[in-house]
Amino acid sequence: AQTVTQSQPEMSVQEAETVTLSCTYDTSESDYYLFWYKQPPSRQMILVIRQEAYKQQNATENRFSVNFQKAAKSFSLKISDSQLGDAAMYFCAYRTLVYNQGGKLIFGQGTELSVKP
Amino acid sequence: EPEVTQTPSHQVTQMGQEVILRCVPISNHLYFYWYRQILGQKVEFLVSFYNNEISEKSEIFDDQFSVERPDGSNFTLKIRSTKLEDSAMYFCASTGRVNEKLFFGSGTQLSVL
Repeated sequence: AQTVTQSQPEMSVQEAETVTLSCTYDTSESDYYLFWYKQPPSRQMILVIRQEAYKQQNATENRFSVNFQKAAKSFSLKISDSQLGDAAMYFCAYRTLVYNQGGKLIFGQGTELSVKP
Repeated sequence: EPEVTQTPSHQVTQMGQEVILRCVPISNHLYFYWYRQILGQKVEFLVSFYNNEISEKSEIFDDQFSVERPDGSNFTLKIRSTKLEDSAMYFCASTGRVNEKLFFGSGTQLSVL
């Protein structure tokens, strides 16, 4: 079974600085997706960024980028120029592409990010 | 952007009562999911639903839980006899294909007293 581990329960960053959130996962599959979701206090699940395992190029979305190391099974999220609105819980998630597993997401434990003004 | 709609946003019930949580997935989506999140914990998969049947369920999804797509637009989660430990935020999600973006609803906070 696949597992996702986020070893940093809490992180803090100064406004305008850069922060990296860590995520590792375990799987025997060769093709899958990885995601970072943001959950603000409203508890809405907001997709931040997505990475397809078959793509070597790291995904980027504006100030958010990932460092995907497939062999190491590592998927970290870098937030550049941090803003107060980035403060939230961040979840790393794995999604299988095996058909009969229905495409479920497996989430890590989350990292609570605080941004200091 | 299209939205997944969940009702109610909050539900309070007594232990042992039945509850039905309702979701309206995005209209052309084919895969539907329920997840739950106990306060302060990670989001946990409950069940996936495709082609009018359950495609996968987790250990949490025992005989007290059931899902239904009664009319081609709604997707419901029923808890037959609620327990205190069922108190959580329940998220519905949908997607058109397994390799496409998963859209989450805003959740139903269930409190069992």
